[in-house]
Amino acid sequence: GAVVSQHPSWVICKSGTSVKIECRSLDFQATTMFWYRQFPKQSLMLMATSNEGSKATYEQGVEKDKFLINHASLTLSTLTVTSAHPEDSSFYICSARGLAGDSYEQYFGPGTRLTVT
Amino acid sequence: GQNIDQPTEMTATEGAIVQINCTYQTSGFNGLFWYQQHAGEAPTFLSYNVLDGLEEKGRFSSFLSRSTGYSYLLLKELQMKDSASYLCAVMDSNYQLIWGAGTKLIIKP
Repeated sequence: GAVVSQHPSWVICKSGTSVKIECRSLDFQATTMFWYRQFPKQSLMLMATSNEGSKATYEQGVEKDKFLINHASLTLSTLTVTSAHPEDSSFYICSARGLAGDSYEQYFGPGTRLTVT
Repeated sequence: GQNIDQPTEMTATEGAIVQINCTYQTSGFNGLFWYQQHAGEAPTFLSYNVLDGLEEKGRFSSFLSRSTGYSYLLLKELQMKDSASYLCAVMDSNYQLIWGAGTKLIIKP
């Protein structure tokens, strides 16, 4: 089956620093990748959708200058949380969808737990 | 607006059967997904329904009625490891997933 990896699994950083999270599709080409955030005991919240080679589309209320998304290849997307603050502490999950004609199923990465101190 | 409704929490007994309902109102419909999410982990795919009817996959079955905007996930022979949140998600006309808040299923011995 399709596998999506994320790195790092967890990260602790100081307030004001930036953190980069990588999302990779290991055995398929992902034309579209999604970034989600999930706070404790809450549902997934879509932050942005990125298509390979083009700018990400951000959901309402998500600051694109704070959450930088790059989808430079069909197997890699990165999310950079710039100038992180404690309220950015959350579980960040990416998912990937294959080329057109494949199932529309999204394959999820294992998630990255970010703690900002 | 778009809306997915599912119960917040359900409790069932090990070995029993439980049905988790999901109702939806979305702009367009391109399929309904059920995902399982254990605490602290990412969601894992359970089922996908795009046509009306019942899809059975082992102990899990998923049902869809497009005319009524209704789906359910049926879990049989419950095991303790089935304790998790179950997320209902609908793919809208733009092929975006609209997520429900999830149903936390608690299994008791």
